[in-house]
Amino acid sequence: DQQVKQNSPSLSVQEGRISILNCDYTNSMFDYFLWYKKYPAEGPTFLISISSIKDKNEDGRFTVFLNKSAKHLSLHIVPSQPGDSAVYFCAASARPAGNNRKLIWGLGTSLAVNP
Amino acid sequence: DAMVIQNPRYQVTQFGKPVTLSCSQTLNHNVMYWYQQKSSQAPKLLFHYYDKDFNNEADTPDNFQSRRPNTSFCFLDIRSPGLGDAAMYLCATSWTGAYGYTFGSGTRLTVV
Repeated sequence: DQQVKQNSPSLSVQEGRISILNCDYTNSMFDYFLWYKKYPAEGPTFLISISSIKDKNEDGRFTVFLNKSAKHLSLHIVPSQPGDSAVYFCAASARPAGNNRKLIWGLGTSLAVNP
Repeated sequence: DAMVIQNPRYQVTQFGKPVTLSCSQTLNHNVMYWYQQKSSQAPKLLFHYYDKDFNNEADTPDNFQSRRPNTSFCFLDIRSPGLGDAAMYLCATSWTGAYGYTFGSGTRLTVV
């Protein structure tokens, strides 16, 4: 049962254009969402996050939008650069029953930005 | 820079031969995680340590063990690696209740 879904395994965009990566979730208890970026043979690196009390968070070229009613979030990269080519993972966490939050991961979207 | 370091970056082991992967951190985070990631799949949590308390995921095979001798170090032991254990192994750290984790660069394990 995939609680976090990234339905597009891959995405290709031209340099300078907008990249939009989508993520859907099923668990209404999720209250925090994160995007991680992963290059081949490297560990994931944190990119941007959003709390469920917000609907938008912006950091430079990266903006995450959250639509709670639709249980949908998206990552916008504007303008896209060749160095943005990587796999992007959407992850979500819920308020923990115990001490620790666990991240629930999507399968990732491979972004290719073409010069 | 404070970081999470995994050694080695690449490890080749023989089928059935025990192997140990290591992770160290300078962040002083009290929680450490081990993930397994195979191609085109999401990272899969194997276990985590909350301070010294070990927490095993229900579907983690018995073949996988872990040790955390102190705050800074955590080890993943695979007692009898099979071909299906070939994967990227990721170590991550966080504070208790933190929203996100800091990952190491991973160890790519090949089983021959």
